[in-house]
Amino acid sequence: QKEVEQNSGPLSVPEGAIASLNCTYSDRGSQSFFWYRQYSGKSPELIMFIYSNGDKEDGRFTAQLNKASQYVSLLIRDSQPSDSATYLCAVNIGNGGATNKLIFGTGTLLAVQP
Amino acid sequence: ETGVTQSPTHLIKTRGQQVTLRCSSQSGHNTVSWYQQALGQGPQFIFQYYREEENGRGNFPPRFSGLQFPNYSSELNVNALELDDSALYLCASSFLGNEKLFFGSGTQLSVL
Repeated sequence: QKEVEQNSGPLSVPEGAIASLNCTYSDRGSQSFFWYRQYSGKSPELIMFIYSNGDKEDGRFTAQLNKASQYVSLLIRDSQPSDSATYLCAVNIGNGGATNKLIFGTGTLLAVQP
Repeated sequence: ETGVTQSPTHLIKTRGQQVTLRCSSQSGHNTVSWYQQALGQGPQFIFQYYREEENGRGNFPPRFSGLQFPNYSSELNVNALELDDSALYLCASSFLGNEKLFFGSGTQLSVL
């Protein structure tokens, strides 16, 4: 069973702090990793994707990937109350391009306190 | 706003009934996927369609079926509804070979 695991939280951080969200995955052959943000009652929104080991930065967001440890993380700098949401980690276990089959974790609820 | 539209927004059915959910893909996208998200869970992959054919399926029984039309819109059909089918059903579109999925706003299905 190919799985993606996340701490369900809630993770509570003060406004302006760095929020660190973590995810592990079981399929060692996975190549593509995604972070989605989901506000309560809304659909998931893609915020970051990463394919290579190391860090990828986009504005206040940094995704980190360590394939040897099967570990993906998302850092949110200068956290804002508007960042309060559930963050879903997803891994594509599809067949290399023809099929996108994302396996999602259960998500981590982030609460940014003003 | 992703450009992926789903209808209806909410739906209430009784056990044993059949339901059809609809999705219009984002302009330029030729692949559509369907996901089921139960309360407190992450989305689960149901299947993907490309060129009007299913080209990937998750662990869902055959009573979950789909269609994709020449204009890339899609339907999800669920027969013999069960209480556990109550969930948010999400449609996502993409371009074949591009792994970034863009989700619609979903259909909330309640089975009583």
